[in-house]
Amino acid sequence: EDKVVQSPLSLVVHEGDTVTLNCSYEVTNFRSLLWYKQEKKAPTFLFMLTSSGIEKKSGRLSSILDKKELFSILNITATQTGDSAVYLCAVERGSTLGRLYFGRGTQLTVWP
Amino acid sequence: GAVVSQHPSWVICKSGTSVKIECRSLDFQATTMFWYRQFPKQSLMLMATSNEGSKATYEQGVEKDKFLINHASLTLSTLTVTSAHPEDSSFYICSAPPLQSNTGELFFGEGSRLTVL
Repeated sequence: EDKVVQSPLSLVVHEGDTVTLNCSYEVTNFRSLLWYKQEKKAPTFLFMLTSSGIEKKSGRLSSILDKKELFSILNITATQTGDSAVYLCAVERGSTLGRLYFGRGTQLTVWP
Repeated sequence: GAVVSQHPSWVICKSGTSVKIECRSLDFQATTMFWYRQFPKQSLMLMATSNEGSKATYEQGVEKDKFLINHASLTLSTLTVTSAHPEDSSFYICSAPPLQSNTGELFFGEGSRLTVL
């Protein structure tokens, strides 16, 4: 059975802390791994990873994929209260672009 | 940027009625769209792939007669929850990949919260 597992499920930190969110997966026909941020309604795209070992970076966020060990991490440095959200990891499988299987998400709360 | 619009945002209906939710890509075309449902504190669960001009592809365990999907044009997919029951109450959200995209980015609608009384 295909699985996408995120940890921790919830995390509470103070502003300025650095956090690492984890996502492991076991799926057939892996195509890519994506990270999303969901605050209230629609998830917003963060990263798409297809190759091992290549870090993607956007401001204070970065992510990397390990296709041998089947996991990815999302790092957020110098956290701010605006980073509070659910961070979703999703795996894209097969030949249909955009067909995603999501983990349960990590609820991140950043206190001022 | 690309926008996906869902309507309605909120809907309350009586048990046994049917509810239609629309998903529109506003400034791009999409031959496929995806429908998810999300229960509180749970992740998004892929329900089906909506294919323009042909039948939808349903994920295992999703009743195709319960959740009717129609993709009549390159910018519109609809999900109809037939004979809704309280256990169908959930957050339904669609996504669409632009036809020409080299980033892998998908665009999600704002979601539709269904409450069945």
